[in-house]
Amino acid sequence: ETGVTQTPRHLVMGMTNKKSLKCEQHLGHNAMYWYKQSAKKPLELMFVYNFKEQTENNSVPSRFSPECPNSSHLFLHLHTLQPEDSALYLCASSQDAGSNQPQHFGDGTRLSIL
Amino acid sequence: AQSVTQPDIHITVSEGASLELRCNYSYGATPYLFWYVQSPGQGLQLLLKYFSGDTLVQGIKGFEAEFKRSQSSFNLRKPSVHWSDAAEYFCAVGASGTYKYIFGTGTRLKVLA
Repeated sequence: ETGVTQTPRHLVMGMTNKKSLKCEQHLGHNAMYWYKQSAKKPLELMFVYNFKEQTENNSVPSRFSPECPNSSHLFLHLHTLQPEDSALYLCASSQDAGSNQPQHFGDGTRLSIL
Repeated sequence: AQSVTQPDIHITVSEGASLELRCNYSYGATPYLFWYVQSPGQGLQLLLKYFSGDTLVQGIKGFEAEFKRSQSSFNLRKPSVHWSDAAEYFCAVGASGTYKYIFGTGTRLKVLA
């Protein structure tokens, strides 16, 4: 499914670098999400945006900074990351924000912190 | 608090055999229930969902799931597994009035030829 596109697919960065992850959805949805997927742990919801407004910040450290300029685009700005931040970062969208909404996922960005 | 348990971390079945993946949830009211599948290197894809009504729901790729309130379960089944079904399967629970799903830790399915 190509409805949700994430770039880059892979990213290696040092702890002092600044980089950004990008997500774009072509489904006409109003809600977008960032998740973190680490080995042997459940998916962790990081942020929720509904109609460009942040509605959920799941106690995410400030070294992760989301940006949602419009309902189709979502960014995750990264700075001064730690080795434990290495994970697969998944973006998702749904028609509206709500736990009854099926979510459509991108293929993720595999992030490795050196 | 809501929780989701997928008791089987790994399951191996032979191609053509039947499959059942277990999911148990903890939630005070009737939850929204989902099954997703994740193939290697890809994101999650929705297989099926249950909100209310008929407790046996049909999904894509020949999968079905049955909601059993008395057992707080929502097990995923397929009568005959294909090699392409090898993937990781996630059960998720949504609570009304929130934005969140709670995902289980996943069950990795291996299919033997």
